[in-house]
Amino acid sequence: DAGVIQSPRHEVTEMGQEVTLRCKPISGHNSLFWYRQTMMRGLELLIYFNNNVPIDDSGMPEDRFSAKMPNASFSTLKIQPSEPRDSAVYFCASSSGQGVTLSNQPQHFGDGTRLSIL
Amino acid sequence: QQPVQSPQAVILREGEDAVINCSSSKALYSVHWYRQKHGEAPVFLMILLKGGEQKGHEKISASFNEKKQQSSLYLTASQLSYSGTYFCGTEGISGSGNTGKLIFGQGTTLQVKP
Repeated sequence: DAGVIQSPRHEVTEMGQEVTLRCKPISGHNSLFWYRQTMMRGLELLIYFNNNVPIDDSGMPEDRFSAKMPNASFSTLKIQPSEPRDSAVYFCASSSGQGVTLSNQPQHFGDGTRLSIL
Repeated sequence: QQPVQSPQAVILREGEDAVINCSSSKALYSVHWYRQKHGEAPVFLMILLKGGEQKGHEKISASFNEKKQQSSLYLTASQLSYSGTYFCGTEGISGSGNTGKLIFGQGTTLQVKP
């Protein structure tokens, strides 16, 4: 089975540009998570969806960040405008189960997008 | 609130044992453990639910003390392949039961030498 697929794997762009990260969860999984990983802050949850609905976006750093999940097989994380401090590895993860069963299910991570903002 | 992991780093010789601890200041519903190798994605190891159960995965096992809000990961007879950074992810308790999201610790780097 295919795992979580993220694109692009690497992105280098200049400050002020719009950045769009993409994620395809594992088929049949109905929960999707976006994480950001940096040396300073570790692995932080940005937002998570359940059945395509955003459940908790309290980790989204500011209004420059937005995420969508238009259908069960696709999600995007957009940064507009981008800033150098947004440089990080962004992971998407998916899991099966929902609600109170969520904690019983492992999260499967994609390979991540390494983002560099110059 | 981010859980606290200890130690931050550990170096072992092949065959030696290690314990990694994860402590939270809040009541926990579950604890998840992941391992991440350099430049790769985190990989799931195991989940422990409240109830103090202990789980095993080959020579890696873990325990969860709900009352102390702590979990420990035990690596026995370590192998070179165990090298990497280990993260605990804690899930808190909400009014409806569980929060459904994980907060990860800062990680423990394990290096196993021949």
